[in-house]
Amino acid sequence: DIQMTQSPSSLSASVGDRVTITCRASQDISNYLAWFQQKPGKAPKSLIYAASTLQSGVPSKFSGSGSGTDFTLTISTLQPEDFATYYCQQYINYQWTFGQGTKVEIK
Amino acid sequence: QVQLVESGGAVVQPGVSLRLSCTASGLTFSNYVMHWVRQAPGKGLEWVAAISYDGSEKYYGDSVKGRFTISRDNSKNTLYLQMNSLRTEDTAVYFCAKGHWERQVIGDLDYWGQGTLVTVSS
Repeated sequence: DIQMTQSPSSLSASVGDRVTITCRASQDISNYLAWFQQKPGKAPKSLIYAASTLQSGVPSKFSGSGSGTDFTLTISTLQPEDFATYYCQQYINYQWTFGQGTKVEIK
Repeated sequence: QVQLVESGGAVVQPGVSLRLSCTASGLTFSNYVMHWVRQAPGKGLEWVAAISYDGSEKYYGDSVKGRFTISRDNSKNTLYLQMNSLRTEDTAVYFCAKGHWERQVIGDLDYWGQGTLVTVSS
């Protein structure tokens, strides 16, 4: 099975900061990588698919990059509504696997 | 507007069975792969199962294989998860989610329901 490892597990940041989250796959997944945002008590929201393509309606402050085994999610200018937990997920085979999550907290 | 609404969550004892449902609207349900994903209290997301748009292909995570069965009724726009031999570690919010691409199994998950809580406790 493909393992997904996110880093860091949590981070503290201020409004206006640029934030980068890393996701590493245990084997090559090409660009079959998605990112989700989840707020407490809510369903996950899809942000990015194919490693770098924004879902419809997602603001351009979110961006994704990477291919193969190493991927990043960047929030260019952190806003209050961006404090949440972020998950990566691979979907190259028939076992969709999530990373353990990165909690973005207010400094 | 795509809407996915889960139901069927309950408090049950270990060893019993439970069936969850997910009713879809705002999409041509029969064209999309559908998934179940769960989240234990305070934990991360765990993919549970997926079913192809026509129900001919089914895939399961290792932790539920042999105990859970995913199915769908395209005439009712409804997805199901039959959960047998429930364990305390199955306690979680269960979300249904839609695959992104029409008539393709491989793909990301673009819309999610709000989830239904299953608690397994003696």
